[in-house]
Parts: sequence; structure tokens; C-alpha cells
Amino acid sequence: EPEVTQTPSHQVTQMGQEVILRCVPISNHLYFYWYRQILGQKVEFLVSFYNNEISEKSEIFDDQFSVERPDGSNFTLKIRSTKLEDSAMYFCASRYGQGATDTQYFGPGTRLTVL
Amino acid sequence: GEDVEQSLFLSVREGDSSVINCTYTDSSSTYLYWYKQEPGAGLQLLTYIFSNMDMKQDQRLTVLLNKKDKHLSLRIADTQTGDSAIYFCAETLSGGSYIPTFGRGTSLIVHP
Repeated sequence: EPEVTQTPSHQVTQMGQEVILRCVPISNHLYFYWYRQILGQKVEFLVSFYNNEISEKSEIFDDQFSVERPDGSNFTLKIRSTKLEDSAMYFCASRYGQGATDTQYFGPGTRLTVL
Repeated sequence: GEDVEQSLFLSVREGDSSVINCTYTDSSSTYLYWYKQEPGAGLQLLTYIFSNMDMKQDQRLTVLLNKKDKHLSLRIADTQTGDSAIYFCAETLSGGSYIPTFGRGTSLIVHP
């Protein structure tokens, strides 16, 4: 069964450094998402991406964040200057359509630790 | 705004039934979902229920929806050790892009 993959599984970085989290969505999917979960808190929506542009974003997704689909298979989340509070599990997801019953398929997540 | 709440932990004995509860605040919810996350894996959609239904059964899983109280539950019959995971409740609202709003997840521990 096709699956969403994410790399790395764990990323440790120093505060102020840039990080890029990578995702490979399922190949025929058209809609892509990033979510994050700070330890003990809710899974929060960050951004959705369709047709090579951001279609929706939350208030968490400020100017420090950017997304890109550089080559038709990868989908990346960049955090320009990491802060301690960016430490979280970041999940990528994809789906074919955006109807209520179009299932989102999630990757296993990247745990980001900012020191 | 949308808010979804769940208890953080549930411990059950193998063979017993598990009931995981969730409350939500937005009455315009259209679909309510249960996702399962096993260790090292992503969230996997288990089942969903449309807001005009009050029950849905799928093998060992039963979803109950009480719209009046905005309460959703997931019952797992004959719980097995392989059911140990984190279970997330989520909702989507009508008229939008159906991006789920999640709760914190309930960690289900099944012991022999």
C-alpha cells in the first residue's frame, strides 16, 4: 500500500538555525499538508498546498515558515530561524481530493528538537 | 471556534471493551473522525461518522454520536494488545476545505 514518508525521523538543531523537513506524499495525490504536535498538546494544522501554491494556512504559519514542492515528488517545510517553541512532532499528509471523505494519509512524523 | 477534547489515557485489560470519549464544541461539524497512531507511524483513519447519524459499526469498532451533547465515542470490542495506540478524535466543518481539527489523542494501553 502506498504511504507518505518523512525524513529525517528526528532532527536536532540549535536555536536560530534553519531546518528543512522533507516529505514524499503519495504519488497521485494533489493536496498536501503540514501539521505539528507539541508534546502533550493537540495536533495543529499549519498549511495546505495545492497546485503549487499555499491554499490555506493557520496563524501558526508565520513568515518563519515556508513550503515548497521542488521537484514534483518532495514536499518540504522550512523553518528559517528556529525557536525553542518550534520543538514538536511535524506530520506531513496528502490526499487526492479535499472532500470530507477524502482520506488524508499521514507520514510517521519528524521530531524536531530545538536546543 | 472549533475545539475537540479527549482524555489523555485509558488502560484496559485484554479482552475487555474500550470506550474512548471525545467532546467537540462546533455544532456545524459535518464529519467526525477517529484516527489511530501506532508507535513510529503516522495517523491512520479508522472510521468516520456523518453528523446526521448517531451510530456506525465496523467490525469491532462502534462509533456513537450524541449531537445534543456534542459527544463522540469509539468503542473497541474484545480489545487486543495490538490495539494499543494513540486514538485521535477530529472534526471537519461544512463549507470549508475539510481540514480536520484534532484533539490531543487518547493513549490506549492494553495489558494482558
